[in-house]
Amino acid sequence: AQSVTQPDIHITVSEGASLELRCNYSYGATPYLFWYVQSPGQGLQLLLKYFSGDTLVQGIKGFEAEFKRSQSSFNLRKPSVHWSDAAEYFCAAHNTDKLIFGTGTRLQVFP
Amino acid sequence: GAGVSQSPRYKVAKRGQDVALRCDPISGHVSLFWYQQALGQGPEFLTYFQNEAQLDKSGLPSDRFFAERPEGSVSTLKIQRTQQEDSAVYLCASSPHWQFSYEQYFGPGTRLTVT
Repeated sequence: AQSVTQPDIHITVSEGASLELRCNYSYGATPYLFWYVQSPGQGLQLLLKYFSGDTLVQGIKGFEAEFKRSQSSFNLRKPSVHWSDAAEYFCAAHNTDKLIFGTGTRLQVFP
Repeated sequence: GAGVSQSPRYKVAKRGQDVALRCDPISGHVSLFWYQQALGQGPEFLTYFQNEAQLDKSGLPSDRFFAERPEGSVSTLKIQRTQQEDSAVYLCASSPHWQFSYEQYFGPGTRLTVT
């Protein structure tokens, strides 16, 4: 079955440190891939998306993600985390007419 | 412009009650989606409309769940005879695309608690 896996349930980093959130997908072909962020009480906000072409995509708020076909991965990165980045992050893949989400990674940022 | 709005934001229902959750998509968006997000989980697809046509309802967990979008704009998700396992956040999303509707804009969700 097609699926999206986020192996890290909870990550804690210090403010200013670099960040990498992992995402793996299981699909027959390369799906469209997305990263969303969800703050408490807020809806999902799209950070970035990958459809094709350049495997390194830039998003909002200083985030980027790299698609690696050989590893079926689409990891999210940020070089320097800010306290306001604390939130839940979801990786998702588009399948036909719906988004398939991972279970999310909760990011905690310490000052 | 206005984003996707949902009402109510919070709903408490006693087990066995019927509830109705409303979604107002972004004006002009042809596609509308409902997702269910249980505590500590990612959103899971429930159903999809293209204008007023419900094209996919494969994610609805039981026949107690019913969704409609009669005029191709506002949508209502109805849950009959609510059960405790229905407690979740219900997210609505809309998309301007009718094909390859991957660009989805999400509302803030309705948190349903069944007691």
